[in-house]
Amino acid sequence: DADVTQTPRNRITKTGKRIMLECSQTKGHDRMYWYRQDPGLGLRLIYYSFDVKDINKGEISDGYSVSRQAQAKFSLSLESAIPNQTALYFCATSDLGRAGVADTQYFGPGTRLTVL
Amino acid sequence: AQSVSQHNHHVILSEAASLELGCNYSYGGTVNLFWYVQYPGQHLQLLLKYFSGDPLVKGIKGFEAEFIKSKFSFNLRKPSVQWSDTAEYFCAVTTYSGYALNFGKGTSLLVTP
Repeated sequence: DADVTQTPRNRITKTGKRIMLECSQTKGHDRMYWYRQDPGLGLRLIYYSFDVKDINKGEISDGYSVSRQAQAKFSLSLESAIPNQTALYFCATSDLGRAGVADTQYFGPGTRLTVL
Repeated sequence: AQSVSQHNHHVILSEAASLELGCNYSYGGTVNLFWYVQYPGQHLQLLLKYFSGDPLVKGIKGFEAEFIKSKFSFNLRKPSVQWSDTAEYFCAVTTYSGYALNFGKGTSLLVTP
C-alpha cells in the first residue's frame, strides 16, 4: 500500500552498528506499529504508538527503541544490532475504530534487515 | 495471555481444489477477527475482517470466513483455489481491551497448476 512507506527496503549491517528504519504514512492515522516477521513465527509486535506522545512497548521490545517524530512518522532503531535481529520488519498504521477498538491495520512494504 | 493458533503451517493444493485454513483464538470476550494475506515478496494485505453481525464474511478474491463463537474459530475458506492464491495467510485477533493485533504464525499455501 503506497500510503505506508518504509526506508530502506533492504539493509545489510554488521554486529554492533546502530540502525534506523523509517516509516511514513499518508493515511492520517493516529496509530502506528512496528512488527518483525520471522519464518514460522508470524508477526510479533515490537512497539506501538497511539499518538505522538503515547509510545508503548510490545511483546519483543528489548534491543529496540522508537521515535514518533510526527503523526505521519514512526522510526525504529536498533542501538547495537545483533545477528538474531535479522528479520523482515513491517510498519503498520490504523485508525482508532469503533469504541476504541483497534481497526484494520495497513502495512508498509517491509524492510529486510540482515545483521552479520 | 491471548493467543491465536493456525493449525496448518504448510498446505499444498492443486488448482480448483477447495481450501479451508483453520484459526482458533483463546479469548473469551468480544473480539475483532482478521485474515491477512502476504503474496511472495509483498506486504500484508487485508483479505477480510469480522467485527459484528453476520458471522459469515466475504472478502476479496472469493475468500470467505466463518466466525463460530462457541468454537472460538474463524476459519478461512475458498471453494476453488487458483495458482495466484499461493501466499502466506495470517489470522489475527484484537479485543476490546486490546491495543494491537495478535497474529497467528501463518499458513503457507502453495497452489500447483
